Amino acid sequence: DSGVTQTPKHLITATGQRVTLRCSPRSGDLSVYWYQQSLDQGLQFLIQYYNGEERAKGNILERFSAQQFPDLHSELNLSSLELGDSALYFCASSVEADNEQFFGPGTRLTVL
Amino acid sequence: GQNIDQPTEMTATEGAIVQINCTYQTSGFNGLFWYQQHAGEAPTFLSYNVLDGLEEKGRFSSFLSRSKGYSYLLLKELQMKDSASYLCAVRDSGYSTLTFGKGTMLLVSP
Repeated sequence: DSGVTQTPKHLITATGQRVTLRCSPRSGDLSVYWYQQSLDQGLQFLIQYYNGEERAKGNILERFSAQQFPDLHSELNLSSLELGDSALYFCASSVEADNEQFFGPGTRLTVL
Repeated sequence: GQNIDQPTEMTATEGAIVQINCTYQTSGFNGLFWYQQHAGEAPTFLSYNVLDGLEEKGRFSSFLSRSKGYSYLLLKELQMKDSASYLCAVRDSGYSTLTFGKGTMLLVSP
């Protein structure tokens, strides 16, 4: 158990819908990262927050957005969902921005 | 940007030694990580190299050559539970984000 929690564990929804994934980092970790993992693309970095502020952006679609709240938990919002958005979404956290990242158990999103 | 290449699959026998290679081309470099990921589970940290040379940690060792853009993960005394995907990741020097390779699926057989 890495100490990073993610909810929900599984999510099944329909195309065009909007969902919110939630992540609580390890106690004391200021940095949160979101990743998408699909079979053909591997683990893709989406976005990073550090102490409430956006730090870096990767291959994140405009339909996706995220935020980190004052208590340091983070949410990833996915809207206008498409079949291709079906994937495992991982959250990771680290103490500082350049430390080892600890991954949560992931949320498996299925878009039908 | 980053380009990371590692073999798709490897097989080995229980008790043996296996070396998983990773080559990378980067615009900036601030360290290389290896993670282990069992199917459907979260990646877990194995090792970190930022300077050239070998880092040893129990049955696992990792090597880095920055001039060659090359790393390997060495697994000794293989066990069945080592069957997993092994992800090589490079940290960018600018934003400290990680770019992952597509992973090497290792199958350990009896």
